[in-house]
Amino acid sequence: DIQMTQSPSSLSASVGDRVTFTCQASQDISKSLNWYQQKPGKAPKLLIYDASISETGVPSRFSGGGSGTYFTFTISSLQPEDIATYYCQQYDNLVTFGGGTKVEIK
Amino acid sequence: QVQLVQSGAEVKKPGASVKVSCKASGYTFSNYPMHWVRQAPGQRLEWMGWINAGNGDTKYSQKFQGRVTITRDTSASTAYMELRSLTSEDTAVYYCATLYGQGYYMDVWGKGTTVTVSS
Repeated sequence: DIQMTQSPSSLSASVGDRVTFTCQASQDISKSLNWYQQKPGKAPKLLIYDASISETGVPSRFSGGGSGTYFTFTISSLQPEDIATYYCQQYDNLVTFGGGTKVEIK
Repeated sequence: QVQLVQSGAEVKKPGASVKVSCKASGYTFSNYPMHWVRQAPGQRLEWMGWINAGNGDTKYSQKFQGRVTITRDTSASTAYMELRSLTSEDTAVYYCATLYGQGYYMDVWGKGTTVTVSS
């Protein structure tokens, strides 16, 4: 099975800060990666697919990058409504989710 | 609109089985695979398996192989996930979802079904 490792597991930043966190795959998955946002008690919401393409209606402050085994997710200007846990997910071989990065406001 | 409606919360005793349903509407059910994902309290999302809603083929995570069965009823546009030999570690929210990827371009999730395993 492909393992997905996210770091950090949590971070705290101020409103307006640029926030970046990462996701590493245990083997090359090309660009077969999605990013999800999950708020407490809710189902995950797809933000980015194919590593870097924004889902329709997703604010432009969210972006993704990378390919192969290393991927990044960036929030260009953190907003209070962005408080959530973010998961990467590979679909190159079956499906695996990362452990999540919990984003909090400082 | 596209919607996945899951069955209600369940409470089961250790050793029992649970079967969760997921009724799809707003799209052609047989055109998209249905995945099952679970999330234990405070834990990561965990993919369990999927079913090709068209031909019924299934693939399961190694972790759940032999203990989970995913089926579908195309006439009812409904997918099912049965998990057997439950333990307290199976206490979780179980989601059905049509995940983006592998040639499928729709990502929709049900609201989740809480399964509690307790003696």
